[in-house]
Amino acid sequence: QVQLVQSGTEVKKPGASVKVSCTASGYTFTGHYMHWVRQAPGQGLEWMGRINPNSGGTNCAQKFQGRVTMTRDTSISTAYMELSGLTSDDTAIYYCARDPKPVAGINWFDPWGQGTLVTVSS
Amino acid sequence: EIVLTQSPVTLSLSPGERATLSCRASQSVSSYLAWYQQKPGQAPRLLIYDASNRATGIPGRFSGSGSGTDFTLSISSLEPEDFAVYYCQQRSTWPLTFGGGTKVEIK
Repeated sequence: QVQLVQSGTEVKKPGASVKVSCTASGYTFTGHYMHWVRQAPGQGLEWMGRINPNSGGTNCAQKFQGRVTMTRDTSISTAYMELSGLTSDDTAIYYCARDPKPVAGINWFDPWGQGTLVTVSS
Repeated sequence: EIVLTQSPVTLSLSPGERATLSCRASQSVSSYLAWYQQKPGQAPRLLIYDASNRATGIPGRFSGSGSGTDFTLSISSLEPEDFAVYYCQQRSTWPLTFGGGTKVEIK
């Protein structure tokens, strides 16, 4: 079955960067876009961007442009999201989520990884 | 950016009752709307896509309707496992956006 497994909890200081990984199994990694969505404590969901694991091409919400870098390593079916210039407002659970439509994508999210808690605190 | 407004914020119902959740878009999203369910401590799960299509494995008591700016998620008869937070999401226009969520709680 399709499974996304994310890296563990991170604690970072303001101004630092964090890199979250998402390892896929159960399907052809390069065949589906991977999205990143975050959720601040007790809050709603916020789409950050997506990566085409085949080409490496990315699309990013304007809010995060210049601060987020999405990459992938196809040899280990893993996508990465790095966020720089962290502030307390970046404290959130970060999810990866697969686009269910192969190749072209459809911009729904199914399934999701288990989430990675990133806490930014001095 | 398309803003999705969900109502009510909280819905208090008993098991067996019907739940009706609303999602309104600030501009037309055609039928490009999805619904997700999130239980405490878990990642969201896709329920409905393209406004009215159930995702794989989703029970028939969940249904979606609407187009343009007004959408509804209905749960015909609430099961204990249905008490959760529900989010709508549009894919009509970048950036992809979510509504603020509706919590369905046990009355």
